Amino acid sequence: GAGVSQSPRYKVAKRGQDVALRCDPISGHVSLFWYQQALGQGPEFLTYFQNEAQLDKSGLPSDRFFAERPEGSVSTLKIQRTQQEDSAVYLCASSFLPGQGYNEQFFGPGTRLTVL
Amino acid sequence: RKEVEQDPGPFNVPEGATVAFNCTYSNSASQSFFWYRQDCRKEPKLLMSVYSSGNEDGRFTAQLNRASQYISLLIRDSKLSDSATYLCVVTFSGGYNKLIFGAGTRLAVHP
Repeated sequence: GAGVSQSPRYKVAKRGQDVALRCDPISGHVSLFWYQQALGQGPEFLTYFQNEAQLDKSGLPSDRFFAERPEGSVSTLKIQRTQQEDSAVYLCASSFLPGQGYNEQFFGPGTRLTVL
Repeated sequence: RKEVEQDPGPFNVPEGATVAFNCTYSNSASQSFFWYRQDCRKEPKLLMSVYSSGNEDGRFTAQLNRASQYISLLIRDSKLSDSATYLCVVTFSGGYNKLIFGAGTRLAVHP
């Protein structure tokens, strides 16, 4: 399909394991966002890429969280030494243009991470 | 204090009812305003943008009051398919259009 895809859809990790979550944005979309959604809450911003440049990482909760988008398309969110509080749905969104004017963000289905 | 606050609900209403959701935001530099809909275990999807002049899309009407920093959504003639969580969302200037979400208001429409 032509939408945003994410993999895996579900991930169970033991506390202390490292995980990597993948996002394939819509082809040609310049902007890519990662959000974290805890149970019963709205999504919270983690980080933003414009092409391959990570312009805002102010929402990353700790230095265990790392994101990259090396070629300006696919992005990976990595969480090192996972903790139980990392359990959440991780949503990726992309939009066509950067800049101040709003461009609709299209969300992927999310990766549901459970840390035991 | 959260940047975007909503009544969490749930709102349980019969089919055909009119229901209103309210939302307040704290950042006066907020620039764009939206309502998103999120079905259970699905991703958020844009329902409608919100403008100061008010805007309507079928049974849905959204309103923005910048002076009071208040956003509303009115759903008329509720359908069973309207059951979902409604998320109030803002962006602010200089923020790369990152979305700031409220916690959401759950709506359950029953027969």
